[in-house]
Amino acid sequence: NAGVTQTPKFQVLKTGQSMTLQCAQDMNHEYMSWYRQDPGMGLRLIHYSVGAGITDQGEVPNGYNVSRSTTEDFPLRLLSAAPSQTSVYFCASRGRSTGELFFGEGSRLTVL
Amino acid sequence: TQLLEQSPQFLSIQEGENLTVYCNSSSVFSSLQWYRQEPGEGPVLLVTVVTGGEVKKLKRLTFQFGDARKDSSLHITAAQTGDTGLYLCAGARSGKTGTASKLTFGTGTRLQVTL
Repeated sequence: NAGVTQTPKFQVLKTGQSMTLQCAQDMNHEYMSWYRQDPGMGLRLIHYSVGAGITDQGEVPNGYNVSRSTTEDFPLRLLSAAPSQTSVYFCASRGRSTGELFFGEGSRLTVL
Repeated sequence: TQLLEQSPQFLSIQEGENLTVYCNSSSVFSSLQWYRQEPGEGPVLLVTVVTGGEVKKLKRLTFQFGDARKDSSLHITAAQTGDTGLYLCAGARSGKTGTASKLTFGTGTRLQVTL
């Protein structure tokens, strides 16, 4: 079972570059979300989506864009990377009938 | 603003010892979850508690939700090296379907169990 798949696993960017972190789930979950994880701060919600065509901001949305054109995919875009965006990013999905979040393996991003 | 504070932040113990991890907030949550995360992987759900005062046991792990639904604890009896990892609590607040889906994560407790 694939579950939640994130790519790439590692990425190094220079300040000002753009990139997209990909996230796909094969569980037909309506809810998908992106978190960033920094030492001593747990997981902080960036953006989330409750279904195709619907997205909303989390607690740290600045510098990130998302879209949800299909149920399966929820890409996270960094339009102009900054060193403060150096972090580990996790995508997670959840079905309607359960409160359990299923996470991908994470994408480690370094911005120089 | 971090709504969920966990303590301790780090814990290093020997196999066979007992430990308790705390998750505290000034906010009320409709439910609270505990996750465990191992290096290089995403968090994995251990338990969900939904009723104030609720106690759930998962083998050597005991989870409790505070009566006022503002805090929770995780107690591990006779810790094993396999318990090593980052433990995260996460609270959900009731509301509209969209807002109820948002989980607020705690700051995390990193546990290391050695032989």
